[in-house]
Amino acid sequence: DIQMTQAPSSLPASLGDRVTITCRASQDIGNYLRWFQQKPGKSPRLMIYGATNLAAGVPSRFSGSRSGSDYSLTISSLESEDMADYYCLQSKESPFTFGSGTKLEIK
Amino acid sequence: EVKLVESGGGLVLPGASLKLSCIVSGFTFSDYWMRWVRQAPGKGLEFIGEIKPDGSKTNYAPSMKGRFTISRDNAKNTLYLQMSSVRSEDTATYYCARQDWGYWGQGVMVTVSS
Repeated sequence: DIQMTQAPSSLPASLGDRVTITCRASQDIGNYLRWFQQKPGKSPRLMIYGATNLAAGVPSRFSGSRSGSDYSLTISSLESEDMADYYCLQSKESPFTFGSGTKLEIK
Repeated sequence: EVKLVESGGGLVLPGASLKLSCIVSGFTFSDYWMRWVRQAPGKGLEFIGEIKPDGSKTNYAPSMKGRFTISRDNAKNTLYLQMSSVRSEDTATYYCARQDWGYWGQGVMVTVSS
C-alpha cells in the first residue's frame, strides 16, 4: 500500500503568514493527490485535486504544487478562517491513504 | 443540490453488529463509486473501502477486510456499511463520500462500549 508522510503535525502561524504543508508519497502517485480542510465538528472539505487544481469555491490564496514525490499545500496569506486541520490523500490506487494531518493554529 | 446523509450510528456493545446507511440525493447515484471513511476521536482520517457503481466490486483497506462489508442499493440511492464483531477501536465518526471526494456526508458517530 502507498504510504503518505505528512509534515508538520502542528503548525503555529500568525495571520498574514505564508504557510506550507507537505506530503511525501512512498511510491509514484503522479498527480493523484488531494488536499482537504477540516474544521472541528465538520466534514472534510476538498481544497485541491490533481495536486495543483483548486476545487470550486476555494479562495485563491490556497495553492498546490508538486516536486517529485513531494506535494505541498501553500496558503499565501493566512486568514483566521483558515485555522483548521489539513489532510492529504493519495487517490492513485485503492486502498487510498491519507496523510496523518496538520493542525494549523494561531501562534 | 448534492446531499449525503448518514444514519444508523449510536452506542453498541463490543462484539455486536451494526449497519450504517448513507442516503444520497442530487446526483445519479448509480454512476459513481462510493467510499466510506472514518475518524476516531481526535485522530486522523482513515479510508475504509469503496464500492463500484453497479455494486459488483469492492475494495477495502487491509485493516478493514473481514469485519466490514460495503454494499449499495441503487434503486434506493443508498450506500451501506455493515460492521461486525465491533471493538472499542471502531469508535469513530463514519463518513460516506462520493467518488470525486468533493461531497461528504455530515458523519455518524459510532461508540463501542460496554
